[in-house]
Amino acid sequence: GQSLEQPSEVTAVEGAIVQINCTYQTSGFYGLSWYQQHDGGAPTFLSYNGLDGLEETGRFSSFLSRSDSYGYLLLQELQMKDSASYFCAVVRNAGNMLTFGGGTRLMVKP
Amino acid sequence: EPEVTQTPSHQVTQMGQEVILRCVPISNHLYFYWYRQILGQKVEFLVSFYNNEISEKSEIFDDQFSVERPDGSNFTLKIRSTKLEDSAMYFCARADIGETQYFGPGTRLLVL
Repeated sequence: GQSLEQPSEVTAVEGAIVQINCTYQTSGFYGLSWYQQHDGGAPTFLSYNGLDGLEETGRFSSFLSRSDSYGYLLLQELQMKDSASYFCAVVRNAGNMLTFGGGTRLMVKP
Repeated sequence: EPEVTQTPSHQVTQMGQEVILRCVPISNHLYFYWYRQILGQKVEFLVSFYNNEISEKSEIFDDQFSVERPDGSNFTLKIRSTKLEDSAMYFCARADIGETQYFGPGTRLLVL
């Protein structure tokens, strides 16, 4: 079966750095994506890792280790607007589908 | 600006009725997807559509569901006979390459 594990909740203060981990067990693994979702909104694409290593996009970075079936999303210089749910999603079968994790609810406090 | 638009934004229907959810891409894309999210739960894959054919579907996508692109532009998801458990947010997504999928604003479906 397919499984993705990520923490259900994380709390951090404004300006801090937070790391959200994701471990996965899946067939047809192609890469790992991260999405942000505000309450009532649609998932918004943040980053994609197809190869091992770190990808950086502004304040957000994402990392993948295929051998460890592990990745993380790193958010720096946290802002209040970063309060949202963050989902890791395995890209499977050459991009034909995404399998989402359960999501991590990030609360940023002043 | 959304990558795709979806209509309607909300739909309320009676159990057993058919519903059609529509997705309109802003520009030409190769890959389309439907996902659903039951309130408070994770996003679940339903079906992917490439070159006007289904390329992948999940176990959720049973005979009650169908997709088509009737006029070469709109991409529709039809649920033939809705059940209470079909109540969810339905998201259309598009991609130029499969790894990077962009989601529409969603249609909230409520089955009574």
